[in-house]
Amino acid sequence: AQSVTQPDIHITVSEGASLELRCNYSYGATPYLFWYVQSPGQGLQLLLKYFSGDTLVQGIKGFEAEFKRSQSSFNLRKPSVHWSDAAEYFCAVGPYSTLTFGKGTMLLVSP
Amino acid sequence: GAGVSQSPRYKVAKRGQDVALRCDPISGHVSLFWYQQALGQGPEFLTYFQNEAQLDKSGLPSDRFFAERPEGSVSTLKIQRTQQEDSAVYLCASSLRETEAFFGQGTRLTVV
Repeated sequence: AQSVTQPDIHITVSEGASLELRCNYSYGATPYLFWYVQSPGQGLQLLLKYFSGDTLVQGIKGFEAEFKRSQSSFNLRKPSVHWSDAAEYFCAVGPYSTLTFGKGTMLLVSP
Repeated sequence: GAGVSQSPRYKVAKRGQDVALRCDPISGHVSLFWYQQALGQGPEFLTYFQNEAQLDKSGLPSDRFFAERPEGSVSTLKIQRTQQEDSAVYLCASSLRETEAFFGQGTRLTVV
C-alpha cells in the first residue's frame, strides 16, 4: 500500500531564510509525486509535480523539489521564504487517480 | 468555469439527516475526484470518476456514502443518516486525464 510521511508537523522559519520540508513515501512502482499548499479555508493548490525525467523539479512561487529514489524522498525547498508562504503543505503520492496525502506540515513565518 | 466550484461552502446537519454536496468541475475535465479531510489531517481519497463512470469507490467509508456523476460533468456526494464522525471538509477535484488535479475550496460539513 502507498503511504506518505511528513515528519514535521510544524516548522517556523524566519522571513528571508531558506526552507526545506521533508517528505518520505512508500510506493511499489515509479511514483507520481506532488506537493500542494493549502491556505486557511481554501482548497489545495498544486506547487509542483514529478512524473519522470529530471529529478529536480521546479514549481510555482519559487519552490523546487528533488526526487531521490534511493531515499524514497521528495523534499520541498525554497531559497528565501516570504511571509505569504505561511500555510499548510501536503506531499502526495500517486497514481494520479487515487492520491495518498501526508498529514501536512504547517509553515509559520516569523518576521 | 474558471475553477472547480463546490456548494454549499458550509453545511450544518443534525445527526441522522441526509446531505448532498455538489461539485462543478472545470469545463472539459474528464476525471473527477472526491476527498475527505478531517480536522488536522491530510485529504483522504473517497472516489474517482472518469466521465460518468465511477471507476474507483474504494475510499467510501460506508454504504451511507454515495456519489454520482450522471452526465459526466456535475457530481454529487450524498451522505445518508449523517453521524458526528462524518464532520470534515469534503474536497472535489478535476483533471484532464492523467495530469494534475485542480481542487475546489471544499464543503465544510459539521454534524451536530
